[in-house]
Amino acid sequence: RKEVEQDPGPFNVPEGATVAFNCTYSNSASQSFFWYRQDCRKEPKLLMSVYSSGNEDGRFTAQLNRASQYISLLIRDSKLSDSATYLCVVGYNQGGKLIFGQGTELSVKP
Amino acid sequence: EAGVTQFPSHSVIEKGQTVTLRCDPISGHDNLYWYRRVMGKEIKFLLHFVKESKQDESGMPNNRFLAERTGGTYSTLKVQPAELEDSGVYFCASSQSPGATDTQYFGPGTRLTVL
Repeated sequence: RKEVEQDPGPFNVPEGATVAFNCTYSNSASQSFFWYRQDCRKEPKLLMSVYSSGNEDGRFTAQLNRASQYISLLIRDSKLSDSATYLCVVGYNQGGKLIFGQGTELSVKP
Repeated sequence: EAGVTQFPSHSVIEKGQTVTLRCDPISGHDNLYWYRRVMGKEIKFLLHFVKESKQDESGMPNNRFLAERTGGTYSTLKVQPAELEDSGVYFCASSQSPGATDTQYFGPGTRLTVL
């Protein structure tokens, strides 16, 4: 079983739609949680960290449920520029090793 | 401020040959990480340097892979001899502080193809 599992993609949505990504992690020792974004043939870039209290950055809202070992990302009012692969990532504070999910591809259409 | 740079951007070699990948982290970042994504799989951790010391090399696939970071600045990852399954994209990342709470900045990657 993969340590970080994400919804299979791709997600094809129209502009303006709300889209939700889900992710589960298997290691309860995981201490840090992130969503990264990766554009085609580019490097991953940090989108946002995820906290137990939930956090929001503009149109993006991330939630963490430690009891269920579940992480989510909600994108409201999708833009064409949101088209990318979204990677769910967990980390261990000792050392900093990051564990990546396989990613979910999002395509926002006009 | 310059980001993480990697060289070469692409490399095509034949099975059995040697390839050396280079990563220059962001200036002042003591922590340097190597990751790899093979076709159809998730990005996987290879190893972590703190300055010139290997902190964690639990992700290195086998002894054909050798990573160095002499002087604690740039790092090299050598694959010798390369096998077909080594094909993929090799990413380097750096961070100022250890631990996953500090943002890791990724380089553009080296796309390695072994024929």
